[in-house]
Amino acid sequence: AAGVIQSPRHLIKEKRETATLKCYPIPRHDTVYWYQQGPGQDPQFLISFYEKMQSDKGSIPDRFSAQQFSDYHSELNMSSLELGDSALYFCASSPGSNYGYTFGSGTRLTVV
Amino acid sequence: AQKVTQAQTEISVVEKEDVTLDCVYETRDTTYYLFWYKQPPSGELVFLIRRNSFDEQNEISGRYSWNFQKSTSSFNFTITASQVVDSAVYFCALRNSGSARQLTFGSGTQLTVLP
Repeated sequence: AAGVIQSPRHLIKEKRETATLKCYPIPRHDTVYWYQQGPGQDPQFLISFYEKMQSDKGSIPDRFSAQQFSDYHSELNMSSLELGDSALYFCASSPGSNYGYTFGSGTRLTVV
Repeated sequence: AQKVTQAQTEISVVEKEDVTLDCVYETRDTTYYLFWYKQPPSGELVFLIRRNSFDEQNEISGRYSWNFQKSTSSFNFTITASQVVDSAVYFCALRNSGSARQLTFGSGTQLTVLP
């Protein structure tokens, strides 16, 4: 079965650079979520999209932005990277409000 | 506001022992969903179970079982006859039924199963 695809798997950036993370949800899933998991932390919700519209916003810094495209893939754009942005970034998709989530394998971002 | 508490930060057991991971949640909603995820050292989040607030039946899946007690707001997870491959961080998570459909995670329990 198709899963949630995230790319890249690993990314190393320098401080003040920008990064773009991509997420391809499971086909026919209408909602995409982004989570950030710092070292030794639990995943924290950043932002979600329902049918290509932003549906909810969590603790996402102003330096980050995200969008969902017509083909339902989503991108998380991160600018002016800081050391504290080093984390595992997960994308998840869901087919509806009463269903579980499927998480991608995550993108490990390291800011040096 | 909603909150998930996993009081056990780390647990170590010897292979073949049974182990229970505790999860206590807080929510004002009457309809909500509870989840357990496993995060092995490779980092991915593996879905284990979803339970809605109206279904208090306990569930068993192989060596895994879950005990949902609405009266105590707990959703505990037991692994029977643990194996080394069960070593991972286990997260309990809560989602309300409203428009905000994101998950609130507990802080996780690191389970180490020793050979």
